[in-house]
Amino acid sequence: DQQVKQNSPSLSVQEGRISILNCDYTNSMFDYFLWYKKYPAEGPTFLISISSIKDKNEDGRFTVFLNKSAKHLSLHIVPSQPGDSAVYFCAAGGTSYGKLTFGQGTILTVHP
Amino acid sequence: DTEVTQTPKHLVMGMTNKKSLKCEQHMGHRAMYWYKQKAKKPPELMFVYSYEKLSINESVPSRFSPECPNSSLLNLHLHALQPEDSALYLCASSRGPGAGQPQHFGDGTRLSIL
Repeated sequence: DQQVKQNSPSLSVQEGRISILNCDYTNSMFDYFLWYKKYPAEGPTFLISISSIKDKNEDGRFTVFLNKSAKHLSLHIVPSQPGDSAVYFCAAGGTSYGKLTFGQGTILTVHP
Repeated sequence: DTEVTQTPKHLVMGMTNKKSLKCEQHMGHRAMYWYKQKAKKPPELMFVYSYEKLSINESVPSRFSPECPNSSLLNLHLHALQPEDSALYLCASSRGPGAGQPQHFGDGTRLSIL
């Protein structure tokens, strides 16, 4: 049972345009959501997070939106840069519980 | 540069060998984690240590044995592994054990079982 789903295995965008990565979850107990970026041969790098009491969190070029009623979150990257090309994982968990559940990942390619 | 250091980066071992993976962090984090990641799959949680005590074991086979000697170190002892255990093993740490504390990952140990 996949509790966190990223339905798009890959996404290709032009440099300077917006990248939108999507994530859906099924477990109503999740109250904290994170996005990680992963380059080949490196571990995941934390990007941005959001708790269930918010619907938006922004950090520079990265914005995460949370729609609790739809159990959906998205990561917006504006403007996209070639260095953003990586695998992006959505993760979810409970604030007081250590386990994170990851989505399958989306490969983002930003073309110059 | 990652602040979570994992050694070795690569390990090849036979099914009868005993080896250990090591993870170190000096960020003062009090929660540490082991994950397993197969190719083209997401990381899967194995163990969580909170304040140097094992708090979560995700039904991992006993051929994997975690150890947390102090708040900066986390080991994973391996014995009698199977070929299907070949994977990337990731260590992570966070300030506290809740998901509200982002986890910071090392670059992993690529393990191959012959």
